[in-house]
Amino acid sequence: EVQLVESGGGLVQPGGSLRLSCVVSGFTFSDRYMDWVRQVPGKGLEWVGRSRNKANTYTTEYAASVKGRFSISRDDSKNSLYLQMNSLRTEDTAVYYCARSYSGSPGAFDIWGQGTKVTVSS
Amino acid sequence: IQMTQSPSSLSASVGDRVTIPCQASQDISTYLNWYQQKPGKAPKLLIYGASNLETGVPSRFGGSGSGTDFTFTISSLQPEDIATYYCQQYDFLPFTFGGGTKVEI
Repeated sequence: EVQLVESGGGLVQPGGSLRLSCVVSGFTFSDRYMDWVRQVPGKGLEWVGRSRNKANTYTTEYAASVKGRFSISRDDSKNSLYLQMNSLRTEDTAVYYCARSYSGSPGAFDIWGQGTKVTVSS
Repeated sequence: IQMTQSPSSLSASVGDRVTIPCQASQDISTYLNWYQQKPGKAPKLLIYGASNLETGVPSRFGGSGSGTDFTFTISSLQPEDIATYYCQQYDFLPFTFGGGTKVEI
């Protein structure tokens, strides 16, 4: 079964850091682009960033709102994707989803995790 | 690229044909996806490449359009289709989503 499971969310003070993890199973992780998408409760979806696959040397891209503060990495030996979030702001409060990009169309997210909630508050 | 979905919500009856428009602020060819999201759940991919039905998705769902104007259609609304539907462009980074259209009975 293809599955993505996020963890690492929680309450953090403004200016703090948090690292989210996404453990995948059921497919060849190194073959796929992987993305992070967030959603403020009750609001819409915002793309956060992506890690390309091994064939594309795991290069990364970020939304302007998080560039320079967030970093995406992955460990293929652990089938894990990470989102390191630094200098957190109250506006980063959201549910964070990891998502797999569709192999035939690497901009369509065909599998999503259940999400992990991040609350930035003093 | 700005993605505009309007209306933000609509109400329809079981069996109705429902159409949801999505407009891109510039030409995105057919690099457009549609997702369904139910409360408390992650989004689910329904349509990719503007008109391609994802495997396992019921055939009552469909998509059309190219360039800047797209339409998502439910040919016969079912009670389990109550959800919020989002369009998303993937022609240019950053990928962007529409604001969503909530479908109610």
